[in-house]
Amino acid sequence: AQRVTQPEKLLSVFKGAPVELKCNYSYSGSPELFWYVQYSRQRLQLLLRHISRESIKGFTADLNKGETSFHLKKPFAQEEDSAMYYCALSGGSSNTGKLIFGQGTTLQVKP
Amino acid sequence: DVKVTQSSRYLVKRTGEKVFLECVQDMDHENMFWYRQDPGLGLRLIYFSYDVKMKEKGDIPEGYSVSREKKERFSLILESASTNQTSMYLCASSADSGLAPPMQFFGPGTRLTVL
Repeated sequence: AQRVTQPEKLLSVFKGAPVELKCNYSYSGSPELFWYVQYSRQRLQLLLRHISRESIKGFTADLNKGETSFHLKKPFAQEEDSAMYYCALSGGSSNTGKLIFGQGTTLQVKP
Repeated sequence: DVKVTQSSRYLVKRTGEKVFLECVQDMDHENMFWYRQDPGLGLRLIYFSYDVKMKEKGDIPEGYSVSREKKERFSLILESASTNQTSMYLCASSADSGLAPPMQFFGPGTRLTVL
């Protein structure tokens, strides 16, 4: 079965500290992975996708097929990074864009 | 910019009422989705539609139905609202893509409370 697991409900760090939000997935084929973010009082929006291999707002994520992980990392957290982060998986078998989301991790960056 | 709008930000209904949640997108997207967002459970797909009058069940369709009569509008219907349907409801849309799964664009959400 396809599944996305984010083991941490809450991750609290100090400003300037490194951040790693964990995401593990279960999928038998070749997955497409995404990170979505929801800032306070804003709508959910795409942060990055693994196929693009880009860095957005200092965040990067590498797909590790051996460990079935897609952890989100940032070397130096900023207060404005505080938000809810969701990891999502697309099965890749269709182009409808259907996604499976993880439980979400709240990132709290303290001053 | 893609704009996905939802008819209400907050809604309070009573148990047993029929509830309509409306979603409209202005970018001519083929695909539309309804999720519910609950703390600790993430986003769970209720229904999605990949074309007008076409729909498919998601992971938690029980107690819900949908309607897509026009390409830009996707309605979620709670036939008889129950307290366990109190939640945040998110609508999203995406374009049909060629090779890669398309990104989804989300509406602001409707917080529904069923008393």
